[in-house]
Amino acid sequence: AQKITQTQPGMFVQEKEAVTLDCTYDTSDPSYGLFWYKQPSSGEMIFLIYQGSYDQQNATEGRYSLNFQKARKSANLVISASQLGDSAMYFCAIRKNAGNMLTFGGGTRLMVKP
Amino acid sequence: NAGVTQTPKFRILKIGQSMTLQCAQDMNHNYMYWYRQDPGMGLKLIYYSVGAGITDKGEVPNGYNVSRSTTEDFPLRLELAAPSQTSVYFCASSPTGDRSPLHFGNGTRLTVT
Repeated sequence: AQKITQTQPGMFVQEKEAVTLDCTYDTSDPSYGLFWYKQPSSGEMIFLIYQGSYDQQNATEGRYSLNFQKARKSANLVISASQLGDSAMYFCAIRKNAGNMLTFGGGTRLMVKP
Repeated sequence: NAGVTQTPKFRILKIGQSMTLQCAQDMNHNYMYWYRQDPGMGLKLIYYSVGAGITDKGEVPNGYNVSRSTTEDFPLRLELAAPSQTSVYFCASSPTGDRSPLHFGNGTRLTVT
């Protein structure tokens, strides 16, 4: 079984500053993928970034990057230069391989202050 | 580019009633999923399908049924609705490939009273 833990229920960040959202996972599978999704107040789920367990480099997508520490089983999301539109719930998720279930963490609510 | 379409958007059911949540995708994805999200919580998998005619239980399947007769459609059936099934239901699909993310519909908000 796979498990995802997000220990920060809520966080504040000042606009234009960087913020790190924590995610730790537990899996016995040697091959897996980690996903981050954003859920704004409107409710839709927006895919942000993916990290494969065998990827040599940390994933980056625009202002989003992953601090992937495989030995520690952590995959923290870093958002640089926060914007007001970044205020949302953020979910970390893990999947063994394509077609299998994506297991989600409980989420972190990020609030960006002007 | 419709993506994943869920209907209805909102529904109120009385205890004991039944209903079907519809989900359709036009991206020719093999994999489809149903999740539920309780207030302030993460998503939990109800059922999933790896192709037409194949379905499997997820983490919280009790009280639900699914079918997958075509690649495009993956309806979720609630039998004998209970207050514990009050939730937001998300349908998602994904193509083959380990790096492929799930594409989500906009959700159905269901209240059982």
